Order: sequence, then C-alpha cells, then structure tokens
Amino acid sequence: GAVVSQHPSRVICKSGTSVKIECRSLDFQATTMFWYRQFPKQSLMLMATSNEGSKATYEQGVEKDKFLINHASLTLSTLTVTSAHPEDSSFYICSARSGGYSGNTIYFGEGSWLTVV
Amino acid sequence: QKEVEQNSGPLSVPEGAIASLNCTYSDRGSQSFFWYRQYSGKSPELIMSIYSNGDKEDGRFTAQLNKASQYVSLLIRDSQPSDSATYLCAVTHTGNQFYFGTGTSLTVIP
Repeated sequence: GAVVSQHPSRVICKSGTSVKIECRSLDFQATTMFWYRQFPKQSLMLMATSNEGSKATYEQGVEKDKFLINHASLTLSTLTVTSAHPEDSSFYICSARSGGYSGNTIYFGEGSWLTVV
Repeated sequence: QKEVEQNSGPLSVPEGAIASLNCTYSDRGSQSFFWYRQYSGKSPELIMSIYSNGDKEDGRFTAQLNKASQYVSLLIRDSQPSDSATYLCAVTHTGNQFYFGTGTSLTVIP
C-alpha cells in the first residue's frame, strides 16, 4: 500500500510556543490531505482538509488561526499549532488520499503525539 | 443522522471465534467502502476495501457489502488476541468525501 510519513512522532513543547508537524506522501502524489486529532479513548476528529495549492477547509469549531495548515506541494502538508496550550495536547494524525493505481483510498501517517507543558 | 454508524462496542469474542463487525451508512450514492484497524496509541491502518456488492476475502478477513440494505460488515475468522483493536468503517460519496464511523472496539479473549 501507499506510504504516508509523519514527523515528529512525539514532541513536547512549552506552553505558548508553536510546533510544526509534517505529513509526507512518500510514493504517491496527494492533492488532498487530512488532519485529525484524537484524544485518548475517543474517536478521530477531522480538523481540516488540505488541498494542494489552496487554502485548507476547516471543520466547524477548529480555529484556523491556531492550527495553520500549509499544503505547498503534492507530497507535503504541514500543521502548525500556534501558541500551544496544555489542552492542545493530543494525538495528531494526517492522512492522504491516493488515486491512480491504489484507487481512491486514504492512507494514514503514523501520528504525532503532542504534549504541551 | 450520522453518515456512517458503528456500534462502539466493546465487542468481546473468544480466541478462535469469528468476530463480526457491522457498519451502516446513510447515503445511497456511496461508492467505496473501507475497513481500518487502529491499535491503541497508533494511527489507523487500511485492512480491506470493497466496492461492489458481495463478499471480498483477504486471509482471515472478509468484507461484505450490501448496497440495498446500506451496510458493510467485516468478519474476522479464527480471531487472535492480536486482532484486539478498534475497527473503523469508512465510506466515500460521489463527491469523494470520506466519512468515518466512530469505530468498534474489539477484544479477543485468549
């Protein structure tokens, strides 16, 4: 299957600082990538849909000025959590839509654990 | 009404038994159907996709799709403790939107 790489896998940052998470599709071009957040023992929550070369579409209740998404190329999307606070501590997961030989399928990155102290 | 619905469980089955996971969806125009497995603390991984009515088998896994009844199921034969995870159903619509269910937690008891 297609491979989506996410980095870093774990990050600890101080309250008030910003942290960037990268999501790369390694063996396919992804015009659409998705960012999710998941709290322990809870469901995936879609935060935003990232389209290459255009502004991301945010889900209701997600602050676009706090969670900055950039999808500058067909293989890379980034999520920047700005002015992070402890309540932003969560598991952040990206996914990318693969077309072509793999069909219209979503593949997930490994996820990034963010701890804000 | 949610786009995709799953029983949250937990579903418990003894080792070696068949685990049956079910998912219903609301949009009759849905075209593609997927099952993902998520271990605790990990991201989801794709295990099965199905696009047409009927059964699709892959090893111990069988996906079943019934578009008339708008449900898709996943059967896991000879369940193993390593199958214990949350299983997510996903459905795509004509607009290529992906919709995920909330997942069913499966525990296989040794």
